[in-house]
Amino acid sequence: RKEVEQDPGPFNVPEGATVAFNCTYSNSASQSFFWYRQDCRKEPKLLMSVYSSGNEDGRFTAQLNRASQYISLLIRDSKLSDSATYLCVVKGGSGTYKYIFGTGTRLKVLA
Amino acid sequence: DAGVIQSPRHEVTEMGQEVTLRCKPISGHNSLFWYRQTMMRGLELLIYFNNNVPIDDSGMPEDRFSAKMPNASFSTLKIQPSEPRDSAVYFCASSFVGYSNQPQHFGDGTRLSIL
Repeated sequence: RKEVEQDPGPFNVPEGATVAFNCTYSNSASQSFFWYRQDCRKEPKLLMSVYSSGNEDGRFTAQLNRASQYISLLIRDSKLSDSATYLCVVKGGSGTYKYIFGTGTRLKVLA
Repeated sequence: DAGVIQSPRHEVTEMGQEVTLRCKPISGHNSLFWYRQTMMRGLELLIYFNNNVPIDDSGMPEDRFSAKMPNASFSTLKIQPSEPRDSAVYFCASSFVGYSNQPQHFGDGTRLSIL
């Protein structure tokens, strides 16, 4: 089983739709969670950190479910510019240096 | 604020040549990571440094690859001799790893083509 798993997609959605991605992780000791966005042939860019109580940044909402070991990303009112690959990243406790990346979920927002 | 700076942005060279990729991490970060990304294999961690010391180089493909971090503001990834299968995008990332877990920040990457 991979340490971090994501549905590769693609998710094709119309503009204005709401779309959600999940990411599961295997290490129950994981402490930090992040969502990154990667555009074609560009570097991964931090979209948002994921906090235990869940957090929102504009149209984006991230949630963590420790019991089931998954994190989610919800995008509301999707824009054409949201088309990208979304990477889930999981990190262990403060003594761990490794960031484990999922393989990413591709999103295409259609006009 | 300056982000992670990588150079060169693009490199095209013939197989057998030595390739050196450079990275300047964000000031104040204590950890540096080198990644390689291809369509087939996705994002792979090659090596990471903490306080300039290599902590884990298990992702380095083979002896042709080497990485150094002589000081807190500079790192190199060297491939010698280069082969066509080394063609990929190489990313450098830095973070502050400590009591609070901070995200990584990536440079623009070096697009490497070995002919």
